Formats: sequence, C-alpha cells, structure tokens
Amino acid sequence: DIVTTQSPDSLAVSLGERATLNCKSSQSVLYSSNNKDYLAWYQQKPGQPPKLLFYWASTRESGVPDRFSASGSGTDFTLTISSLQAEDVAVYYCQQYYTTPWTFGQGTKVEIK
Amino acid sequence: EVQLVESGGGLVKPGGSLTLACAASGFNFTSTWMTWVRQAPGKGLEWVGRIKSKTSGGTIDYAAPVKGRFTISRHDSKDTLYLQMNGLKTEDTAVYYCNIGPKYWGQGTLVTVSS
Repeated sequence: DIVTTQSPDSLAVSLGERATLNCKSSQSVLYSSNNKDYLAWYQQKPGQPPKLLFYWASTRESGVPDRFSASGSGTDFTLTISSLQAEDVAVYYCQQYYTTPWTFGQGTKVEIK
Repeated sequence: EVQLVESGGGLVKPGGSLTLACAASGFNFTSTWMTWVRQAPGKGLEWVGRIKSKTSGGTIDYAAPVKGRFTISRHDSKDTLYLQMNGLKTEDTAVYYCNIGPKYWGQGTLVTVSS
C-alpha cells in the first residue's frame, strides 16, 4: 500500500500570512502514460464532508480561491495558502488515487495564530 | 447537479449488521465507479472500498480492515450504491461517505457500534 504522510500535523499562522502544507507518498503517484499525478487536496471543516481543492496534484477545482495553490510531482507535494483568511481554518488532507487502497494523509490542522 | 445521499446509519451492537445506501442523481450512475470512505469521530479519512462500473468489469476492492466483513454492491437500475456491513466492531464507528472520487461527496451517515 502507498503510505501518504502529511506535515506538519498542525500549523498556526497569522491572518494574511502564508501557510505551507506538505504531503509525501511512499511511492510515486505519477502515471507515466498520461503524465498525471494522482493526488488530491481537500479542505474539511467540522461537521462537513471534505471539499475538493485540487486534483491531478495542481488543478484547482472550480470556485476555489486563487490564494490556494498546489504543486509537486512524483512523491512530494505542497499546498500553499498565500494569505490566510479566517475562513481557511480547517483540516487539510491529501489523498493518492493512483492505486487502491486509496490512502489519505493524516491531515494538517490550520489555525489562526 | 450531482447528488449523493447516504442513509441507513444508526446504532448497532458489536457483531451486528447494517446496510447503508447511497442514492445517486444528476449523473450517469451506470458508468461511474463509486467509492465508500469513512471517518471515525475526531479522526482522519479512511478509504473503505470501490466498485467499478459493470462495463469496466464491476471489480470491487476493499480496504484490509473491512475485507471479508463488508460488501459493496450497486443497483444500477435504481441508481443506488450499497455497503453491507457484517461482524461490526466498535472501531467501525464512523461517518460513512459515498463518493465519486475525488470530486463529489455525500453528506455522510453515522454508524455507531456500541453495546
């Protein structure tokens, strides 16, 4: 199974400052035949289902503010919030969907400092 | 508009059984691969399993913790996905989501396994 690990577990950032979240997979999730990374990022707020932010590692889902960006390929990925807003307080998960069992990172909790 | 509505959650004793349903609408259910994901209270997300469309072979994959106890099935004429859970354990307590990974998720249904 692919192990997906996020860091840090929690992050406290001042309003308007940058937040950087990391995700690492134990093996590459890059599918060579289409050159796509099978990795997604989600935001989850209490009592709600996860909300998709990015798929194919860096393709922004419609409606996601452009202060969110994602990058990376292969085994190392990053989600960046360029200017943290109060509504961004949430837990963020990465997930590989390259092969079953699809695996999620343990989550990074983002809070306001 | 894609809609996924889970139902069937509730309180069940350890060793008991429960069947969840996910009613789908707004897309071609017959040709869509469907997934179940769960989330224990205060914990992270855990993939439960996936069923391919019949035209893709209908293959079903399960996570190790549920293999042999849970069964995923689909009723294409009813646009409904099922999760039959047998031999339930306290560690199966979670909100169960159906989804069309990674984009579309239902609101989830809570399963509590407790004596």
